Amino acid sequence: DTAVSQTPKYLVTQMGNDKSIKCEQNLGHDTMYWYKQDSKKFLKIMFSYNNKELIINETVPNRFSPKSPDKAHLNLHINSLELGDSAVYFCASSHSDRGFGYTFGSGTRLTVV
Amino acid sequence: AQKITQTQPGMFVQEKEAVTLDCTYDTSDPSYGLFWYKQPSSGEMIFLIYQGSYDQQNATEGRYSLNFQKARKSANLVISASQLGDSAMYFCAMREGINNNNDMRFGAGTRLTVKP
Repeated sequence: DTAVSQTPKYLVTQMGNDKSIKCEQNLGHDTMYWYKQDSKKFLKIMFSYNNKELIINETVPNRFSPKSPDKAHLNLHINSLELGDSAVYFCASSHSDRGFGYTFGSGTRLTVV
Repeated sequence: AQKITQTQPGMFVQEKEAVTLDCTYDTSDPSYGLFWYKQPSSGEMIFLIYQGSYDQQNATEGRYSLNFQKARKSANLVISASQLGDSAMYFCAMREGINNNNDMRFGAGTRLTVKP
């Protein structure tokens, strides 16, 4: 059983389109995250949700909107895609206690053409 | 400001030898956790090892150990008996505080190449 699953794994789309990436975890974790990894491999937090409530919203364009229907799911919707949105997007989950590491999904490679 | 610093963009090690990957961090919070992750070329993020700020002993997990020097704010990863499969990106990360408002921040990573 996959602990944190993201779909799709690859996404190629044209500029201006709207797309969604789905994430689900079956670990019983109470917090979920979205990270963006750029071409230089730098990982940057985008959003954090705890029990369906938004905790962290870093400086991310408002074209990016997370949706958490329940604490096992955190989807990422992106409007009006731009070339600079091309990156690998990772979903992760954890317990809220700082002593717990994150379990990551396998990543979604988004390419905007 | 960058809180996690990995000063080695790339490292090479001979198979079967040990290698140390450097990580320094910056925090004023007395409570924090330090983590290392491995990212092979396939792209997934694999958790390796954890060290809590109050832990008295250095963490170890199989061939991985964390050289925790609290006063120097360093948390170097030591990989013993390197294997070809250890070739990957390695990320140091930190979570501060004791509540769920604090996410994990990552360093820029070190690309390790194990030579046969």
